[in-house]
Amino acid sequence: DAGITQSPRYKITETGRQVTLMCHQTWSHSYMFWYRQDLGHGLRLIYYSAAADITDKGEVPDGYVVSRSKTENFPLTLESATRSQTSVYFCASLDLVNTEAFFGQGTRLTVV
Amino acid sequence: DQQVKQNSPSLSVQEGRISILNCDYTNSMFDYFLWYKKYPAEGPTFLISISSIKDKNEDGRFTVFLNKSAKHLSLHIVPSQPGDSAVYFCAASASWGKLQFGAGTQVVVTP
Repeated sequence: DAGITQSPRYKITETGRQVTLMCHQTWSHSYMFWYRQDLGHGLRLIYYSAAADITDKGEVPDGYVVSRSKTENFPLTLESATRSQTSVYFCASLDLVNTEAFFGQGTRLTVV
Repeated sequence: DQQVKQNSPSLSVQEGRISILNCDYTNSMFDYFLWYKKYPAEGPTFLISISSIKDKNEDGRFTVFLNKSAKHLSLHIVPSQPGDSAVYFCAASASWGKLQFGAGTQVVVTP
């Protein structure tokens, strides 16, 4: 299926654990983004990538690591999860031709 | 430091009337602006966009206005329908680097 998919949709993890959220897009869009959505803050940019092997920090990068070895995948890793990282995480890819960003369904992460 | 601001967290409007959502930005390098709509438990979906070389873009019931001197944009929905009840996000980008979003405005359309 064409599109952008995130996995898992729901995840509960313990404080201090490492957890990786996956994002896969089928369009070969060069730009990809990770956001977290929290009440009162809207969508805050964590990291973004302009192409494979090119990543850069967004507004709230602390505690997160990303990689982009292939254009279609953009995993987000929480190296040592904290309760403040409980959130809904959205991945997006950008169609530069039509100047539209497409979002995945989101991953609801709970850190206990 | 939030560079895209939506100062109204909520908006209630009657069905058939106009909804006006506002967005302010601080970065003069932003050259592309987008509006997204989000339903609960779903990812945001694209509504309409505008580049900084324009001051208005229209798509059906949705019109976006850009006032560069005031660093302000607005989204007009006419007429508002019950299915328009959602959270609306304004987003901005400078030459397709970071795509930054505002905090969102919850719109409720009442019968």
